[in-house]
Amino acid sequence: DIVMTQSPDSLAVSLGERATINCKSSQSVLYSSNNKNYLAWYQQKPGQPPKLLIYWASTRESGVPDRFSGSGSGTDFTLTISSLQAEDVAVYYCQQYYSNPPTFGPGTKVDIQ
Amino acid sequence: QLQLQESGPGLVKPSETLSLTCTVSGGSISSSNYFWGWIRQPPGKGLEFIGSLYYTGSPYYNPSLKTRVTISIDTSKNQFSLRLSSVTAADTAVYFCARERITFGGLIPRGGPFDYWGRGALVTVSS
Repeated sequence: DIVMTQSPDSLAVSLGERATINCKSSQSVLYSSNNKNYLAWYQQKPGQPPKLLIYWASTRESGVPDRFSGSGSGTDFTLTISSLQAEDVAVYYCQQYYSNPPTFGPGTKVDIQ
Repeated sequence: QLQLQESGPGLVKPSETLSLTCTVSGGSISSSNYFWGWIRQPPGKGLEFIGSLYYTGSPYYNPSLKTRVTISIDTSKNQFSLRLSSVTAADTAVYFCARERITFGGLIPRGGPFDYWGRGALVTVSS
């Protein structure tokens, strides 16, 4: 299985400031034939299911605010919230879908400082 | 708007079989563009993929659970189901059903991101 790790485990950011979450895969999730990274990001608020934010490492899902952006390639990826809003308090997970079984990172908790 | 809803017993005894059903509304489970899957989340912990299947069958399971899992689909009811046998306390979790977008690596269809999720069903394994 591809092991996903995330850092930090948690972070607290002031409203309006930038939040950055890192995700690393144990092997590359870049498929050379189509040059796509098989990597997604999710947001999960308490008592709710995860919500898809980003897929293909950097493609924003429809309806997701543009303050959320994804970047990276191969084994190293980043989710950035450019200006943290109160409603962004949540746990964020990365997930690879390059190989079976799909695996998730352990999550990063984002709070308001 | 697509909606998924899990249903089933919230309490299962150790060694018995956990059974859940996901009812899909607002769209057809027979779409050629999606798999239909199950993911679980133990209380306070992360997400674990259980398995997915295409509407014509051909499930794929997480190898860590493969010997105990069965996922099936009923297109006439727009539902798919999960059975997990020989449960223990370690199987206590919120179980989510979800739609998985099919992606391609070359000509071979493969799994993708999970774009619609049910609200989840807490299943507790206890005597």
